[in-house]
Amino acid sequence: DAGVTQSPTHLIKTRGQHVTLRCSPISGHKSVSWYQQVLGQGPQFIFQYYEKEERGRGNFPDRFSARQFPNYSSELNVNALLLGDSALYLCASSWAHEQFFGPGTRLTVL
Amino acid sequence: AQSVTQLGSHVSVSEGALVLLRCNYSSSVPPYLFWYVQYPNQGLQLLLKYTTGATLVKGINGFEAEFKKSETSFHLTKPSAHMSDAAEYFCAVTDSTGANSKLTFGKGITLSVRP
Repeated sequence: DAGVTQSPTHLIKTRGQHVTLRCSPISGHKSVSWYQQVLGQGPQFIFQYYEKEERGRGNFPDRFSARQFPNYSSELNVNALLLGDSALYLCASSWAHEQFFGPGTRLTVL
Repeated sequence: AQSVTQLGSHVSVSEGALVLLRCNYSSSVPPYLFWYVQYPNQGLQLLLKYTTGATLVKGINGFEAEFKKSETSFHLTKPSAHMSDAAEYFCAVTDSTGANSKLTFGKGITLSVRP
């Protein structure tokens, strides 16, 4: 069975630009969460979606937004990129209190 | 609110030696606890988890951890380190009540294994 997939793998943007990251959960999983992992730190929770509704939001500015589609895939959008947004963005799908992580999207903001 | 403390950022052991990675948590509700491993340029892989029941949990690759409520700890151990164990290890906690299943992670510990 396919695991959690994320696209793109790597991305380079400049300050002020907008970025969209995509995630497909494991088949049958209805919950998707997004995390930001800055180099040398543990992942930080950004959003959780379940059945297309936002169920949780971490301490991130309004420049960060997300949505979940009817097929349970998800997008994370970040507007007005800052240098500090450079990080590994991880998506996870959930089943029974366990989260399964994708390989991540490495975003570099120049 | 929940939090995780992983003391020390780097642990170095010899191949064949005991691995001990420490994790302490804070939670106002009964916690679910997890250890994840991350290899360079990869996502997170679950090593083991504690939800309910037996407090000593066994995971993949010979790792195990013991939930000690009185000490608010969930330390990760492996009797004999292999070179392939070199990676970043993260302890995480979540709310067991189901109100919010977000994971709160520690800062991680880098494990190095010397030949």
